[in-house]
Amino acid sequence: GAGVSQSPSNKVTEKGKDVELRCDPISGHTALYWYRQSLGQGLEFLIYFQGNSAPDKSGLPSDRFSAERTGGSVSTLTIQRTQQEDSAVYLCASSLGDILQAGNTIYFGEGSWLTVV
Amino acid sequence: GNSVTQMEGPVTLSEEAFLTINCTYTATGYPSLFWYVQYPGEGLQLLLKATKADDKGSNKGFEATYRKETTSFHLEKGSVQVSDSAVYFCALSGPDSNYQLIWGAGTKLIIKP
Repeated sequence: GAGVSQSPSNKVTEKGKDVELRCDPISGHTALYWYRQSLGQGLEFLIYFQGNSAPDKSGLPSDRFSAERTGGSVSTLTIQRTQQEDSAVYLCASSLGDILQAGNTIYFGEGSWLTVV
Repeated sequence: GNSVTQMEGPVTLSEEAFLTINCTYTATGYPSLFWYVQYPGEGLQLLLKATKADDKGSNKGFEATYRKETTSFHLEKGSVQVSDSAVYFCALSGPDSNYQLIWGAGTKLIIKP
């Protein structure tokens, strides 16, 4: 697609329920990132996928969070047994390759707004 | 480790005023520096970037110069418009941050007509 697509755009869920957030990166982009943005805060790195390499999960805040990327394209971020502190905007981004390489820019989706009540 | 510090907001200006949003960084080597903007209800988008010292990034009337000597990448615009109201994020990526962007906390800009 033309840009990074995320769904749902808004999700309200009850505490303790599981949620799945989907990201469809820009076609051809090998790198995919998940970030979390809490109200009034900067971006918090969650997880990074690059091609067929093992993902870097070092930013995931707890074992309730997991993510997968199927076929090197679409990614799903799953939050199990949601808590109120999970309420945030979850941003997905993709880039053609490693952002350290000159010319590679990271492109963001519009985010999935999660509210846990 | 790498870090980015931005001036706290909100910054409130009148239309056509001169804008400066300060950004300083801590990093080893020569990181790449970025400004991202988040308009109300929209996703983050790249505004401008600079990949080496003394480079000037520019876009939509905004400019920022990569100053190695002062470790700064201040965002400037000569005459702001109401449509510039948004949250602006400074970020870096460098050898120590691997593939991660290191983000500032963001500065909310409010332009009044």
